[in-house]
Amino acid sequence: GQSLEQPSEVTAVEGAIVQINCTYQTSGFYGLSWYQQHDGGAPTFLSYNGLDGLEETGRFSSFLSRSDSYGYLLLQELQMKDSASYFCAVRDGDTNAGKSTFGDGTTLTVKP
Amino acid sequence: NAGVTQTPKFRVLKTGQSMTLLCAQDMNHEYMYWYRQDPGMGLRLIHYSVGEGTTAKGEVPDGYNVSRLKKQNFLLGLESAAPSQTSVYFCASSSLAATSNEQFFGPGTRLTVL
Repeated sequence: GQSLEQPSEVTAVEGAIVQINCTYQTSGFYGLSWYQQHDGGAPTFLSYNGLDGLEETGRFSSFLSRSDSYGYLLLQELQMKDSASYFCAVRDGDTNAGKSTFGDGTTLTVKP
Repeated sequence: NAGVTQTPKFRVLKTGQSMTLLCAQDMNHEYMYWYRQDPGMGLRLIHYSVGEGTTAKGEVPDGYNVSRLKKQNFLLGLESAAPSQTSVYFCASSSLAATSNEQFFGPGTRLTVL
């Protein structure tokens, strides 16, 4: 099975940098994704790491270390609109299954 | 291009009633999923499908059934609703070709079982 751990809440001020960590224990691993979900909305895809290292997409970056079963999402130049829940998700090792397991999410609150 | 749509958006049921949630996608995706999300929790996979005519159980399948008769539609059925099934239900789809398994989500169905 799959198990993911991420902090339940993070608070930061506008303009700051925040890092949301995710550790996982999996029976198979194919990649780590991040999703954003605003209150009352649907999750939307942010980023994916299939290999070790850093992936950058604008103000957001995501990092993966497969040897440490660890990844993080880095949000820079925080804006009020970044207040949302962020979920890490592990794609199953069986690529034919085409499914992922989601963490319980981290609620980010950005304060003025 | 509507993406993923879900019907209905809201529903209130009494214990023991049945209902079907409909999900449709117009992106020609092979994979489709049904999740439930309880307050303050993550997404738990109920059932999924890797192609037309195929379905498989996810993490929390009990009390639910699914069907995928057409590639673009994925139906979730509750035969005898229970208060424990009060939740927000999300449908999602993804492409076989996407190594990231990037999933596109519908807007959700908010179900209350009294």
